[in-house]
Amino acid sequence: AQSVTQLGSHVSVSEGALVLLRCNYSSSVPPYLFWYVQYPNQGLQLLLKYTTGATLVKGINGFEAEFKKSETSFHLTKPSAHMSDAAEYFCAVIDTSYGKLTFGQGTILTVHP
Amino acid sequence: SQTIHQWPATLVQPVGSPLSLECTVEGTSNPNLYWYRQAAGRGLQLLFYSVGIGQISSEVPQNLSASRPQDRQFILSSKKLLLSDSGFYLCAWNRLPEAFFGQGTRLTVV
Repeated sequence: AQSVTQLGSHVSVSEGALVLLRCNYSSSVPPYLFWYVQYPNQGLQLLLKYTTGATLVKGINGFEAEFKKSETSFHLTKPSAHMSDAAEYFCAVIDTSYGKLTFGQGTILTVHP
Repeated sequence: SQTIHQWPATLVQPVGSPLSLECTVEGTSNPNLYWYRQAAGRGLQLLFYSVGIGQISSEVPQNLSASRPQDRQFILSSKKLLLSDSGFYLCAWNRLPEAFFGQGTRLTVV
């Protein structure tokens, strides 16, 4: 069975500061990993994904994530936070047999002026 | 391009009333379809998935049911809502390795 753990349900940063959202996964097969962002009362928007190949993945809005197999991690980073980054972020792993996503509990990112 | 429609966007229903949420997908055929729920302060939980017409798999025991009467239509239902059914419901389909989500329905049971 697959599982995802996001460390920290709330992260607060100042505008311009580094954003680091942590995600660790458990999977018995090579994982496909995702980060989604959710703005209030909206659906999920894909930020980035890792399937195969380069372990450093770049996404939209300046976000990137690095797949580290030895650490079973897929942390999300952004060098400089913007007020518009305030949202809830979900890390997920997909079951390629049925396409089912397993999500972490989510991390709410707050950006202070 | 593919599009997923989900309605209504918000819904307030009394305890004991029935529920029907609809999801339709355009621009693809024979998609795998999913219903997820996000309860307040909790992550997203898979409720049901379907790999074809009339084929429904339930992931968790609950007060809800799902049906797939047509290839690109997925319906979430309940005969009698409970307070605990409140939450944000998301429909999704996938084209591996990605999943695509609707805009969600905010359900409040009062």
